[in-house]
Amino acid sequence: QKEVEQNSGPLSVPEGAIASLNCTYSDRGSQSFFWYRQYSGKSPELIMSIYSNGDKEDGRFTAQLNKASQYVSLLIRDSQPSDSATYLCAPEYTGGFKTIFGAGTRLFVKA
Amino acid sequence: DTGVSQDPRHKITKRGQNVTFRCDPISEHNRLYWYRQTLGQGPEFLTYFQNEAQLEKSRLLSDRFSAERPKGSFSTLEIQRTEQGDSAMYLCASSLAPPGPDQPQHFGDGTRLSIL
Repeated sequence: QKEVEQNSGPLSVPEGAIASLNCTYSDRGSQSFFWYRQYSGKSPELIMSIYSNGDKEDGRFTAQLNKASQYVSLLIRDSQPSDSATYLCAPEYTGGFKTIFGAGTRLFVKA
Repeated sequence: DTGVSQDPRHKITKRGQNVTFRCDPISEHNRLYWYRQTLGQGPEFLTYFQNEAQLEKSRLLSDRFSAERPKGSFSTLEIQRTEQGDSAMYLCASSLAPPGPDQPQHFGDGTRLSIL
């Protein structure tokens, strides 16, 4: 079992729709969770962090966390073509106090 | 805050040569991480430092790879006797210690290594 699992996609949504990105993780001790966006050929940039069960909203982005199910998701409302990128899920790995990245989900927003 | 800086941006070398990359973290960050990323994959953890101490190194990391952070500021990653499979983007990130919801890792632009 991989430490962090994401659907590789591509996930294709029309402009203005809601994009839903999912992630499961194996380390039950993980406390903090990060979503990074990575454009092709660029480095990852942080867009959301969450550490409490429930929802956290920031503009068009909502992160959802369920520690009992070891599941974290990212919703992007009113998707724009500029949201087309790979989204990386990254739980904090408590075993070594480092962050483990998933392989990412490619999102394509059609204009 | 000038961000994380990596040098060079691109490196092309022949198989068997040694290469060295440099990373300058955000000045107040005491943690520094090295990752490797290949096409279609997420960043793969290589090693990290807290100040000048190398606290963890991936078990998958060949002994051809070595990293230093001599004064707790900039870091270097050296790959000896490069192989075709070393071709990848090498990413450096820094953070305050330990990472937390308000203390994420900040990434540099990476060094793209191509082995001929």
